[in-house]
Amino acid sequence: EAQVTQNPRYLITVTGKKLTVTCSQNMNHEYMSWYRQDPGLGLRQIYYSMNVEVTDKGDVPEGYKVSRKEKRNFPLILESPSPNQTSLYFCASWDSGSYEQYFGPGTRLTVT
Amino acid sequence: GEDVEQSLFLSVREGDSSVINCTYTDSSSTYLYWYKQEPGAGLQLLTYIFSNMDMKQDQRLTVLLNKKDKHLSLRIADTQTGDSAIYFCAESLYNFNKFYFGSGTKLNVKP
Repeated sequence: EAQVTQNPRYLITVTGKKLTVTCSQNMNHEYMSWYRQDPGLGLRQIYYSMNVEVTDKGDVPEGYKVSRKEKRNFPLILESPSPNQTSLYFCASWDSGSYEQYFGPGTRLTVT
Repeated sequence: GEDVEQSLFLSVREGDSSVINCTYTDSSSTYLYWYKQEPGAGLQLLTYIFSNMDMKQDQRLTVLLNKKDKHLSLRIADTQTGDSAIYFCAESLYNFNKFYFGSGTKLNVKP
């Protein structure tokens, strides 16, 4: 089954404790992206990747890091999480030149 | 980033038509999209329209694009309770790298 998976689905952590949210896709898509969803703000793009070892900033990259060492995986790293990063995070993937993004189920992160 | 705006809530009765509206600012948009998000789930693409089209129909869904006013709408005919969800308008630019989403419209369908 074609899918985008994210782990964990729920995470509660404390300020400053480094964390990683994993994202994996099995569709051999070139493009992957991370979004955060906040009430009243919709989805905002954090980072995206056009292929292995090629990443670029979205609209809200501050406080986040990403890496793309393999085509299927695109982890999101919060080196020192802060409460304003409490949000619902989505990973997505799509083919080059395609209009359709496939979204993972989301990771709800709470930073206290 | 680009501005994509939507109203936050819409309530309709089952069987009525729903119209969800969206405005965007970037005239270089390539595709405009409507995504649906059901509770606890990710987003699913409902339909899309290329920026040189005015209208697209797909079963119960009709998308209208007014390029002059930068206005996009989604009409759902014969709305069902299963259509209750959050609907996001989105746009992408020519390179399909960056996508800009609206804040989402929560559609509530009353039986």
